[in-house]
Amino acid sequence: DAGVTQTPRHEVAEKGQTIILKCEPVSGHNDLFWYRQTKIQGLELLSYFRSKSLMEDGGAFKDRFKAEMLNSSFSTLKIQPTEPKDSAVYLCASSLALGARTGQLYFGEGSKLTVL
Amino acid sequence: QEKVQQSPESLIVPEGAMVSLNCSFSDSASQSIWWYQQHPGKGPKALISIFSNGNKKEGRLTVYLNRASLHVSLHIKDSQPSDSAVYLCAVRGEGADRLTFGKGTQLIIQP
Repeated sequence: DAGVTQTPRHEVAEKGQTIILKCEPVSGHNDLFWYRQTKIQGLELLSYFRSKSLMEDGGAFKDRFKAEMLNSSFSTLKIQPTEPKDSAVYLCASSLALGARTGQLYFGEGSKLTVL
Repeated sequence: QEKVQQSPESLIVPEGAMVSLNCSFSDSASQSIWWYQQHPGKGPKALISIFSNGNKKEGRLTVYLNRASLHVSLHIKDSQPSDSAVYLCAVRGEGADRLTFGKGTQLIIQP
């Protein structure tokens, strides 16, 4: 089975631009998560979908970050407008049933965003 | 909200040494605790999980959970250079559908 696929792997944007990151979860997984990873803050949850329904949209990230799940096998994260402080690695993860005792997250390799 | 803290921030040990990584969490009712390994430029990968008080062994890995002291530890026996990575502790709180991650421990195994 293919794992979680994220594109692009690297993105360089000018301040104020709109960028869209893409994610294909593991086939058959119900839960999809978007995280932001920085050295200072670690992993921060941006959005969480269960069976395509938005369950959590990460509070502090609401204003410029919008995640969508267009179908069960494709999700996007839009950042609009970008700011230099958005420079980070954006990770997508999926799970068959995280709420279950044995549920685990499967991560993609991440999209590294640099905002100039 | 669940809080997860890891120590040390970084660790350098010689090849073959035993490695011990620590993680403390805030809610004794947490359902499960996971350890993830992350190599540079890659996403985190699940290594081992524990749900009940006590210990669990898988190959060179042993994890110990003490709910009373809100502490979990990961031990790596006979460490190898390929074990060099960031290790993340993740906790799923009671009734939660998400994992809360610590900031990680950077482990370097010197050949």
